[in-house]
Amino acid sequence: ELKVEQNPLFLSMQEGKNYTIYCNYSTTSDRLYWYRQDPGKSLESLFVLLSNGAVKQEGRLMASLDTKARLSTLHITAAVHDLSATYFCAGLDGGATNKLIFGTGTLLAVQP
Amino acid sequence: KAGVTQTPRYLIKTRGQQVTLSCSPISGHRSVSWYQQTPGQGLQFLFEYFSETQRNKGNFPGRFSGRQFSNSRSEMNVSTLELGDSALYLCASSLGAGRTDTQYFGPGTRLTVL
Repeated sequence: ELKVEQNPLFLSMQEGKNYTIYCNYSTTSDRLYWYRQDPGKSLESLFVLLSNGAVKQEGRLMASLDTKARLSTLHITAAVHDLSATYFCAGLDGGATNKLIFGTGTLLAVQP
Repeated sequence: KAGVTQTPRYLIKTRGQQVTLSCSPISGHRSVSWYQQTPGQGLQFLFEYFSETQRNKGNFPGRFSGRQFSNSRSEMNVSTLELGDSALYLCASSLGAGRTDTQYFGPGTRLTVL
């Protein structure tokens, strides 16, 4: 079964700073997802990365995928308080299934 | 287009009881998956249904069961509730069963077992 490891678990940032969340996965996964979760809320899809070298950007967030290294990153540029949330990466497990395997999540706290 | 809806949103039960949670997928979506989220175990896959058939089941005891109806709505049932079943239960729907279909998550049902 696919295993997904995410780090750091907790990230406290100052507004205006840059940082990166890392997501390593154990076996080939044909797509990698990033989700955002606000406290007490559901999961909001941020990015779907499909192929090696894929890069997607939305506002201050940029996600990339390196399938050879089995690594995805979520880069935060010039953080603002509104980005405070928990971020999850997830990969699709093998076989004919839509089973998502999630990382542990990164709790991002952006301090003014 | 309305999103995924889950009912009820909050539920309090006592140990030994059973509970049924409901999920209505986005109109036209035929695949429904369920996930359990707890602080200790994180997000874990429970079931996946497509066209009323269970395609996959996660590593949960038999107390956890589910089904999907002809209109694609899905229910999950937990019998003989334990304290450890307290969690946020999330339902996700996708258009089909293909791996290219994005899953959209509902707001969740927060279950508290006392």
